[in-house]
Amino acid sequence: GAGVSQSPSNKVTEKGKDVELRCDPISGHTALYWYRQSLGQGLEFLIYFQGNSAPDKSGLPSDRFSAERTGGSVSTLTIQRTQQEDSAVYLCASSPQAGTYNEQFFGPGTRLTVL
Amino acid sequence: DAKTTQPNSMESNEEEPVHLPCNHSTISGTDYIHWYRQLPSQGPEYVIHGLTSNVNNRMASLAIAEDRKSSTLILHRATLRDAAVYYCILRDSGAQKLVFGQGTRLTINP
Repeated sequence: GAGVSQSPSNKVTEKGKDVELRCDPISGHTALYWYRQSLGQGLEFLIYFQGNSAPDKSGLPSDRFSAERTGGSVSTLTIQRTQQEDSAVYLCASSPQAGTYNEQFFGPGTRLTVL
Repeated sequence: DAKTTQPNSMESNEEEPVHLPCNHSTISGTDYIHWYRQLPSQGPEYVIHGLTSNVNNRMASLAIAEDRKSSTLILHRATLRDAAVYYCILRDSGAQKLVFGQGTRLTINP
């Protein structure tokens, strides 16, 4: 079946511009996660959505970062006024439901380069 | 989040077993031990998880020490496709996010 998809696969932008990254989770998965992976910081959690509950935004590094999940499916991660330190691979994952027992299925990521 | 310690890198030969260690001396009673791996240029993928008892699945086996302060991921017969970074993660009951450490970079020699 179809896995988690992310678009675009690569994004190059100029410092100060806004970018939007999209994630399509596996159909029927209620939990959705965003992570990012950079050379200096490794793989780090950003935000988590579960159904209609308020998202866990505890991993967002600054107020320039925001995310939404419309209709309980597709999610968009928005970075405003991008900085060079935002360059990283942004990974989305989904899970059938929240919980320790449920594996997370990751997408291929979006590689963001801020010039 | 409880901390895990893994070797930075390991090397093995194709078709041989591989034992990837993980130390987690501060593990709590409600922490599950999860393993994920990340192949080159891909997102992480789930491998296996357990609480107290040893676990087996089609990908690997997980051996958990009796005191739960360490565990070992066992790949029974490594293939070139198993070359990846392997992450050992402690996940508290009810925790949603995964907290990744630096992992072990596994190289498989033909």
